Amino acid sequence: DVKVTQSSRYLVKRTGEKVFLECVQDMDHENMFWYRQDPGLGLRLIYFSYDVKMKEKGDIPEGYSVSREKKERFSLILESASTNQTSMYLCASSSDRATSGANVLTFGAGSRLTVL
Amino acid sequence: AQSVTQPDIHITVSEGASLELRCNYSYGATPYLFWYVQSPGQGLQLLLKYFSGDTLVQGIKGFEAEFKRSQSSFNLRKPSVHWSDAAEYFCAVGALDAGKSTFGDGTTLTVKP
Repeated sequence: DVKVTQSSRYLVKRTGEKVFLECVQDMDHENMFWYRQDPGLGLRLIYFSYDVKMKEKGDIPEGYSVSREKKERFSLILESASTNQTSMYLCASSSDRATSGANVLTFGAGSRLTVL
Repeated sequence: AQSVTQPDIHITVSEGASLELRCNYSYGATPYLFWYVQSPGQGLQLLLKYFSGDTLVQGIKGFEAEFKRSQSSFNLRKPSVHWSDAAEYFCAVGALDAGKSTFGDGTTLTVKP
């Protein structure tokens, strides 16, 4: 089975800190995604990547950046964390063709970030 | 732009009762449709998907969903709910020309003993 691993399940950071959320997948998937999940708002796409060193903005990219230096790893970066970035962050990957909407996503268990 | 509406935020059913979770989508062409389930503290897991063909699709854990183009709906059903089905359920739509899925806000299912 495909495994998507998010290195930190729970993080507590202070306002203004730089935060790195790491995600690794082990099945050679082309595509990787970062979502944010908040109660009543579902999943909102932050950034995604179809290839190494490639990134595309999702629906809510403000305040975030990403890095994909290796195919299996996709990092989400909060340059200066703010309290409104307290949330659950979900990483996902898929193997379908980049331009196909038939992406079946495999998700990690999530990283719950609290910014004080 | 594609969008997904899940009208029910929270549903409570008794164990053994039938279940239907509603999903309506907006998209100009034939969509790709998905249902995912999220157990507490976990990521999302695919229950089933519809790409084309038979409009009634079977998934894991005894779930099924029916695609109705005329109603722009993709409702999830299960004939007899088990306590372990308590979770949050997300409907999602994917567009042909975009590699990303759009998710609904989710429906939380509570199962009464």
